[in-house]
Amino acid sequence: KAGVTQTPRYLIKTRGQQVTLSCSPISGHRSVSWYQQTPGQGLQFLFEYFSETQRNKGNFPGRFSGRQFSNSRSEMNVSTLELGDSALYLCASSRDSYNSPLHFGNGTRLTVT
Amino acid sequence: AQKVTQAQTEISVVEKEDVTLDCVYETRDTTYYLFWYKQPPSGELVFLIRRNSFDEQNEISGRYSWNFQKSTSSFNFTITASQVVDSAVYFCALSEAGRGSWGKLQFGAGTQVVVTP
Repeated sequence: KAGVTQTPRYLIKTRGQQVTLSCSPISGHRSVSWYQQTPGQGLQFLFEYFSETQRNKGNFPGRFSGRQFSNSRSEMNVSTLELGDSALYLCASSRDSYNSPLHFGNGTRLTVT
Repeated sequence: AQKVTQAQTEISVVEKEDVTLDCVYETRDTTYYLFWYKQPPSGELVFLIRRNSFDEQNEISGRYSWNFQKSTSSFNFTITASQVVDSAVYFCALSEAGRGSWGKLQFGAGTQVVVTP
């Protein structure tokens, strides 16, 4: 069974640009969450989607947005990139039930120069 | 507000020694879930164990065991007879699943475990 797939694995962007990251959840998983990991702030929750609806959002500026498609695949977008957005972005999926923990992908390493 | 504290930044052991990782949490919820995840150098967070707030029974799974104590808000994790492959960053996490949000976890800062041969 395929795991959570994130593309691309690595990305280099310039300040002011925008970026879109993609996440394909495990088959059958309807919940997708995104996290940002930095050395200074650690792992921080960005947002959570279920059935194409944003269910929860972390404390990030409006430059960070996401969406979920009918096949449960998800994308997150960061506009007007800042140097501080350099991070590992992790996507996780679950069956959204008691017996289903979050399963994470390998992440997308974003570097903003 | 929820909070997870992992006071140990790094633990270094020699192979075959036991390693215990500490985790203290804060929450006002009566229903919550606690997790341990492992992050090897490849970056992927690997799920290890889960415990809900209603079940304080401590268990052993292979070389892993955990000690959940609601009275002290602690959820400690032990690796028995450590191996070099156990070298990774270990994260304790708290879920707001009791509020219906399965995807939002509050993570601790992580503990780097280094196992040398």
